[in-house]
Amino acid sequence: EVQLVESGGGLVQPGRSLRLSCAASGFTFDDYAMHWVRQPPGKGLEWVSGISWNSGNIGYADSVKGRFTISRDNAKNSLYLQMNSLNAEDTAFYYCAKGSTTMVRHHFDYWGQGILVTVSS
Amino acid sequence: QSALTQPPSASGSPGQSVTISCTGTSSDVGGYNYVSWFQQHPGKAPKLMIYEVTKRPSGVPDRFFGSKSGNTASLTVSGLQAEDEADYYCTSYAGSHTYVFGTGTNVTV
Repeated sequence: EVQLVESGGGLVQPGRSLRLSCAASGFTFDDYAMHWVRQPPGKGLEWVSGISWNSGNIGYADSVKGRFTISRDNAKNSLYLQMNSLNAEDTAFYYCAKGSTTMVRHHFDYWGQGILVTVSS
Repeated sequence: QSALTQPPSASGSPGQSVTISCTGTSSDVGGYNYVSWFQQHPGKAPKLMIYEVTKRPSGVPDRFFGSKSGNTASLTVSGLQAEDEADYYCTSYAGSHTYVFGTGTNVTV
């Protein structure tokens, strides 16, 4: 059974940094691209970033480019999102999602339960 | 990277059909056959319902049907059931290793 468990969320002050992690199990992690998707409370979904199986291809939403960095450690079956210069607009539930192939371009099929990041002073 | 346009709401009676549109551009929906649809119930993670415009993952009822014409994709749910009441989001590959989501549609049965 595919399991994706996010961690590292919480309350952070504007301008500070936070690192999210996603622990994957139930599938061969390095055979698949991975993504981060976020959802502000009560609002719609926004794709944040995606990374191919070998980290060779990475994409970011314009809203986070230059501030967020996605990475993965295939030896640890883990996905990460380093978030810098956080602002109130980054407040959201952050979901880790599994790609369906090695490449970012293909759809994502399984999602974690999400973790809340709140940016506030 | 502008969000794809969906109607805010749609509704139908049990047994009826509802169709949700998802309008983008030639740089996303119109340019790739990588359109997916997700269903999200309150407080839950999204669930994949349709991928690559028309394909259904195993376990998704054939009441869910996806299609695309030009820059607009559509999701049709036929034989509406109470459990279909949820938010629905389209998403499309947008090139350069990026994705874009739709604005979301709340379906009421």
